[in-house]
Amino acid sequence: DAGVTQSPTHLIKTRGQQVTLRCSPKSGHDTVSWYQQALGQGPQFIFQYYEEEERQRGNFPDRFSGHQFPNYSSELNVNALLLGDSALYLCASSQGTLTNEQFFGPGTRLTVL
Amino acid sequence: AQSVAQPEDQVNVAEGNPLTVKCTYSVSGNPYLFWYVQYPNRGLQFLLKYITGDNLVKGSYGFEAEFNKSQTSFHLKKPSALVSDSALYFCAVRDIGDYKLSFGAGTTVTVRA
Repeated sequence: DAGVTQSPTHLIKTRGQQVTLRCSPKSGHDTVSWYQQALGQGPQFIFQYYEEEERQRGNFPDRFSGHQFPNYSSELNVNALLLGDSALYLCASSQGTLTNEQFFGPGTRLTVL
Repeated sequence: AQSVAQPEDQVNVAEGNPLTVKCTYSVSGNPYLFWYVQYPNRGLQFLLKYITGDNLVKGSYGFEAEFNKSQTSFHLKKPSALVSDSALYFCAVRDIGDYKLSFGAGTTVTVRA
């Protein structure tokens, strides 16, 4: 059973560009959450998608947007990249109730030059 | 608002000795608490969770954690540490009715042979 997968593994962009990150959830999971992990810090919640809708959003600007597809996979889009957007972006999937743990993918390392 | 504090940036122990990683939390209601471990260049791996019931929770790889409501703590413990336990450990909390996980800054555990 494949776990959570993310692509690409690494990405280098320049300021002002746009980027799209992709995530496939663990089999049987219907909920996808995105987190940003800056170097030396804990993950910060960006947003969560359920039934193709953004269910909750963290304290991130509108430059961060997402999408969930009917097969539960998800995309994270970041527009007008800033140097401060350089981080590890983690996707997590879960199923059902709030008591269930989230399973994390390996992450996408984004570097903005 | 929910938050997590991990008061120790680093914990160093000798192999075979007990390991404790501290975590305190703040929520408005009753918490759901989680521990994750992160190895270099990897995503987060779930270790254990507290939802309700017995205050002592057992998880993967011989880890356990004790929920203490009066002290708002959820410390991670392992009776006998292994060199392979060396990693970055994160405590996370979810308030009831909230979908996001809030993470601490992480504690780096080093187990010396």
